[in-house]
Amino acid sequence: GENVEQHPSTLSVQEGDSAVIKCTYSDSASNYFPWYKQELGKRPQLIIDIRSNVGEKKDQRIAVTLNKTAKHFSLHITETQPEDSAVYFCAASHPAGGDINSSASKIIFGSGTRLSIRP
Amino acid sequence: KAGVTQTPRYLIKTRGQQVTLSCSPISGHRSVSWYQQTPGQGLQFLFEYFSETQRNKGNFPGRFSGRQFSNSRSEMNVSTLELGDSALYLCASSRTSGGAPDTQYFGPGTRLTVL
Repeated sequence: GENVEQHPSTLSVQEGDSAVIKCTYSDSASNYFPWYKQELGKRPQLIIDIRSNVGEKKDQRIAVTLNKTAKHFSLHITETQPEDSAVYFCAASHPAGGDINSSASKIIFGSGTRLSIRP
Repeated sequence: KAGVTQTPRYLIKTRGQQVTLSCSPISGHRSVSWYQQTPGQGLQFLFEYFSETQRNKGNFPGRFSGRQFSNSRSEMNVSTLELGDSALYLCASSRTSGGAPDTQYFGPGTRLTVL
């Protein structure tokens, strides 16, 4: 079945350094890859997403790269700050029933990465 | 525009009981998905509803069911509760304009505790 693997499960970096979280997916039909940030006691919030027709996307200190051939994608956070501390989830979405024209989709989440920023 | 809302926010039940959770999507969003979040299993997809029809289903037993109303509000029901059903239940809505997956926006969740 569909599967998304996420590594590492925990990550601690010094404030100002970069953090990288990696995910691999199993379903080659996946075509949408969002990243969510979940702070303690709060709901997951979308921070960046990428679609399969794009290899890289950047938004200020956050960037995501996608390698469709290898079926993996990564989140890069540069110049980390204390407020970046949270759990980050990657996800892969593919059309339901394999119909690429279907707007129905099923999102499979990775197991999450707990990121801690050391002052 | 108001975000996704869920009621109730907290719920305590005992084994064998049943529970109904409610989710109101963002205005104009027609798709509602439900997830179970536990410390050990992460975010697990339960099901997705669109135009009052279940379009997708995860790997959960038949005790978990849902429905969607004509105003896109959705309810999730769990019957014969088990201790292992204790979790945060999140719903997410998306516009689903067609052709490509849309961004999902999450509600605050309902924390269910089964005693």
